[in-house]
Amino acid sequence: SQQGEEDPQALSIQEGENATMNCSYKTSINNLQWYRQNSGRGLVHLILIRSNEREKHSGRLRVTLDTSKKSSSLLITASRAADTASYFCATVLIAGGTSYGKLTFGQGTILTVHP
Amino acid sequence: NAGVTQTPKFQVLKTGQSMTLQCAQDMNHEYMSWYRQDPGMGLRLIHYSVGAGITDQGEVPNGYNVSRSTTEDFPLRLLSAAPSQTSVYFCATGVRGGLTANEQFFGPGTRLTVL
Repeated sequence: SQQGEEDPQALSIQEGENATMNCSYKTSINNLQWYRQNSGRGLVHLILIRSNEREKHSGRLRVTLDTSKKSSSLLITASRAADTASYFCATVLIAGGTSYGKLTFGQGTILTVHP
Repeated sequence: NAGVTQTPKFQVLKTGQSMTLQCAQDMNHEYMSWYRQDPGMGLRLIHYSVGAGITDQGEVPNGYNVSRSTTEDFPLRLLSAAPSQTSVYFCATGVRGGLTANEQFFGPGTRLTVL
C-alpha cells in the first residue's frame, strides 16, 4: 500500500488563486519531499522538509509538516497557468542497519490552473 | 552536463521478449534507482543502488534485474516481458545522505508497451 496519499486527487483553480495540496502518511519518516511532473515528463524536485522541521519556503511554495498528524501540505501562492502539473509527495522512512531510506511516492494531485 | 539520460524513449515488445533499459548519469551521484509509473498511480520503486556493486530490491522487483558496475550506469533488464510490465519507467539519481534519500533527479522516462 502507498505510504503517502495526496488529497485532493484533482484541483482546478484560476490564475492568481492559491493552491493547497495535502499528503498523509502512515509511519515515521526521515524526510518528506514534494515533486512536480509536467505531462509526459520526468519528475522535478520542489522541496524537502525533514522530520524535525515544521515549515519551509521556496519562492511561491510553502510546505508544512505535522509529524503528530502524519501529514504535510504544499501551498502554491499566486498560481500561474505554468503551474499546471501533477504534484507528488514522497516520504523517506527512517532507515537502520544496512537498510537505506527509500522514497515512497503517493498517487499525486493533478493541478489545473486556468488563465 | 546531460544530467540523467534514458534510452530508448519508446519501446514495444512482444510477450516473452527480453530487453534492457539504459540509464546513465554524469553527476557522479552514488544513489540510482528505477521506478515505474502506471496510469493514475504514483511511482513505485523497482530496484535501487547506493553505489557501484551494490543493489537492492524495491517495492516491485519481480521480473526485473539490475546491476551497477560503474557509478554512471544503472541498466534495468526485463527478463521475459509480460503485458503487466507495460508502463513508463523512470530512472533517478541522488546524492547519498547517510542512511537517507535526499533530492532525486529524474530522467525523461522510457515508455514501454508489451503486447
